[in-house]
Amino acid sequence: GENVEQHPSTLSVQEGDSAVIKCTYSDSASNYFPWYKQELGKRPQLIIDIRSNVGEKKDQRIAVTLNKTAKHFSLHITETQPEDSAVYFCAASRDNQGGKLIFGQGTELSVKP
Amino acid sequence: DTGVSQNPRHKITKRGQNVTFRCDPISEHNRLYWYRQTLGQGPEFLTYFQNEAQLEKSRLLSDRFSAERPKGSFSTLEIQRTEQGDSAMYLCASRVPGELFFGEGSRLTVL
Repeated sequence: GENVEQHPSTLSVQEGDSAVIKCTYSDSASNYFPWYKQELGKRPQLIIDIRSNVGEKKDQRIAVTLNKTAKHFSLHITETQPEDSAVYFCAASRDNQGGKLIFGQGTELSVKP
Repeated sequence: DTGVSQNPRHKITKRGQNVTFRCDPISEHNRLYWYRQTLGQGPEFLTYFQNEAQLEKSRLLSDRFSAERPKGSFSTLEIQRTEQGDSAMYLCASRVPGELFFGEGSRLTVL
């Protein structure tokens, strides 16, 4: 069945360092890959997404890369700040127009000042 | 507030009781999703609607769970004969092409 694996489950970095979170997916028909940030007690919120027709997308300190052949994608956060501390979820979907998202297990990122 | 609205935000019930959650999506969003999230896990897909049609239901959704979206606007998720394993956060989300917008969730505790 459809599955998304996410690693690591926890990640601790010093402020200013980079953080990388990796995901692999099983459904080769997946073509839309968003990343969500969830702060404690709050709703998940989209931070960046990528579609299968591109290999990389950047938005200020955040970038996502996609390798369709290997079926994996990664989130890169540069110059981390304490407010980046949260749980990050990757997800995959067959249909960027409205199909269901399958989420990874999450990565708890802690940025130490 | 023009976001996705869910209520109640918290529900404590005894095992065996029925509970119902309501979700009001963003008004122009025709797709509505229900997810379940337990501590330390990602949101787990339950079901989704396009307008009033239920398009997909997870195999994880037992017969005790039913969801409706009768007029293509708000949706309800009912859990009958609750079990302790049903304790979780139930998240509703709505979408037009692109971003999925989540509500704050309804936290269920089954004693």
